[in-house]
Amino acid sequence: AQSVAQPEDQVNVAEGNPLTVKCTYSVSGNPYLFWYVQYPNRGLQFLLKYITGDNLVKGSYGFEAEFNKSQTSFHLKKPSALVSDSALYFCAVRAPTDSWGKLQFGAGTQVVVTP
Amino acid sequence: SQTIHQWPATLVQPVGSPLSLECTVEGTSNPNLYWYRQAAGRGLQLLFYSVGIGQISSEVPQNLSASRPQDRQFILSSKKLLLSDSGFYLCAWSAPDRRNTEAFFGQGTRLTVV
Repeated sequence: AQSVAQPEDQVNVAEGNPLTVKCTYSVSGNPYLFWYVQYPNRGLQFLLKYITGDNLVKGSYGFEAEFNKSQTSFHLKKPSALVSDSALYFCAVRAPTDSWGKLQFGAGTQVVVTP
Repeated sequence: SQTIHQWPATLVQPVGSPLSLECTVEGTSNPNLYWYRQAAGRGLQLLFYSVGIGQISSEVPQNLSASRPQDRQFILSSKKLLLSDSGFYLCAWSAPDRRNTEAFFGQGTRLTVV
């Protein structure tokens, strides 16, 4: 069975500084990896995904993520954080053998960007 | 373009009352549909998924049930709510027969059982 770990419950960063949200995964075979963002009392918004190819994936709102197979990681990054990036971020994995599109989510990381 | 609608946005129900949450998707055919619950902490738990009309799979045993009466309609129900059913319920869809596609989420329903 697949699993996802987000080791940081909360990440604090000052506006303008780089932001990193960590994610590690466990899955048999080559994983499909996703990042989502959630604002209070709202649904999840898709940011980016890794399926295959280039290890650096670019997504919405200036976010990018780096897939590292040897470290089984998929960390989310943004070069310069904005106050509006304050939200809850979820990493998710789908096993390549899963035909039904089921996602396994991490516990989430709260990002707080201070002015 | 595809859209997903979920309602109501908030709901307060007494213990023992029935529940019906509805989700509809527009702009696509035969989507995979999902119900997730987000407890007070923050983790997301997959409750049900469906790959076609009348085809429902349950991920965890619970007090809830799901139905898919039409291709793009997904309903979450309960005959008698428990306090532990409180949470934030999210409906999602993904394209069929595409393993590498992302899921798209509705805006969620905040259910409080009192």
